[in-house]
Amino acid sequence: GAVVSQHPSRVICKSGTSVKIECRSLDFQATTMFWYRQFPKKSLMLMATSNEGSKATYEQGVEKDKFLINHASLTLSTLTVTSAHPEDSSFYICSANSPGQGANNEQFFGPGTRLTVL
Amino acid sequence: LAKTTQPISMDSYEGQEVNITCSHNNIATNDYITWYQQFPSQGPRFIIQGYKTKVTNEVASLFIPADRKSSTLSLPRVSLSDTAVYYCLVGVGNNNDMRFGAGTRLTVKP
Repeated sequence: GAVVSQHPSRVICKSGTSVKIECRSLDFQATTMFWYRQFPKKSLMLMATSNEGSKATYEQGVEKDKFLINHASLTLSTLTVTSAHPEDSSFYICSANSPGQGANNEQFFGPGTRLTVL
Repeated sequence: LAKTTQPISMDSYEGQEVNITCSHNNIATNDYITWYQQFPSQGPRFIIQGYKTKVTNEVASLFIPADRKSSTLSLPRVSLSDTAVYYCLVGVGNNNDMRFGAGTRLTVKP
């Protein structure tokens, strides 16, 4: 149980285009979802926290107009990278949790999405 | 927000026991300690969680001293497939606690 999926797993796009990444909790309802970005050989950097039906809370330094997060249902959150540039190329990972699922505040992570902006 | 400090990297050999220590000096009373494992190009996965003393599951043990200012993840008899980055996180049901530290890159050699 407690599986989180991401789609797509890999995307290559041209500079200036927008890319949408989906994060789904497949077998549980996620009250909270998190979005991370990870550069090679680096740790995960929290970008934002989203709760279903409310605006996401962005970490300091993360542009909310560039990284649009929508958490429209308890099983789906989307991250849209708008007007992507090569420096946005990274590994994007989502996670979800829900009371009663797993250990205390246990996060269930998606497999990640590799974004390459040409 | 409890900050964590771990060794950047560790090397070990197959069959050895590996202990990775995490320091969290300003841990709060309600905070739990959770360890995650991450393989390259994958999302992290939960290993173990504890609050105090010792916790053991099928893959690891977690030792937490009485003052809870540190914790040690113990991996018995590691294999090559245990080569990964290990992160400790400290927090409770507060969304703002989901910030990762640098993690420990464990390399298991044959």
